[in-house]
Amino acid sequence: RKEVEQDPGPFNVPEGATVAFNCTYSNSASQSFFWYRQDCRKEPKLLMSVYSSGNEDGRFTAQLNRASQYISLLIRDSKLSDSATYLCVVSLEYGNKLVFGAGTILRVKS
Amino acid sequence: DAGVIQSPRHEVTEMGQEVTLRCKPISGHNSLFWYRQTMMRGLELLIYFNNNVPIDDSGMPEDRFSAKMPNASFSTLKIQPSEPRDSAVYFCASSFGSSTNEKLFFGSGTQLSVL
Repeated sequence: RKEVEQDPGPFNVPEGATVAFNCTYSNSASQSFFWYRQDCRKEPKLLMSVYSSGNEDGRFTAQLNRASQYISLLIRDSKLSDSATYLCVVSLEYGNKLVFGAGTILRVKS
Repeated sequence: DAGVIQSPRHEVTEMGQEVTLRCKPISGHNSLFWYRQTMMRGLELLIYFNNNVPIDDSGMPEDRFSAKMPNASFSTLKIQPSEPRDSAVYFCASSFGSSTNEKLFFGSGTQLSVL
């Protein structure tokens, strides 16, 4: 089983739609969780950290479910500029090692 | 703020040649990471340094790969000899601190093609 698994998509949605991605992780001792965004042919950039109580940043909401070992990202009122690959990132229990999921492709169309 | 600087942006070489990728982390950051990204395997951590010391190199594919960090402002990833299966985008990233809660800042990457 992969350490971090994501549905690769692509998710094709119209502007204004709400879309949600899930990500599952295998190590129950994982402590830190993040969503990164990667545009085509660019480097990954931190979108948001994921906190145990859930957190929101504008149109983006991240949640963590430790019991089921998954994190989610919800995007409301999708914009064309949200089109990108969204990478789920999980820390392993030891050291300073972050493991990236393969990413979920989002395409927002007008 | 110059960000993480990688060079070269693109490298095309022939099988068997030595390849050296370079990275300058953000000033003041004390952790540095080398990642490789391919369509098949996604982003894989190759090695990371903390305060210039290699902490975990378990992701380095084989002995053909080596990485150094002689000082806080420079790191290299060397492949010798290179093989076609090494073709990928290689990213360098840095962060401040040694906790996994720290934000990673990535460089623009080096697109490596081994013919």
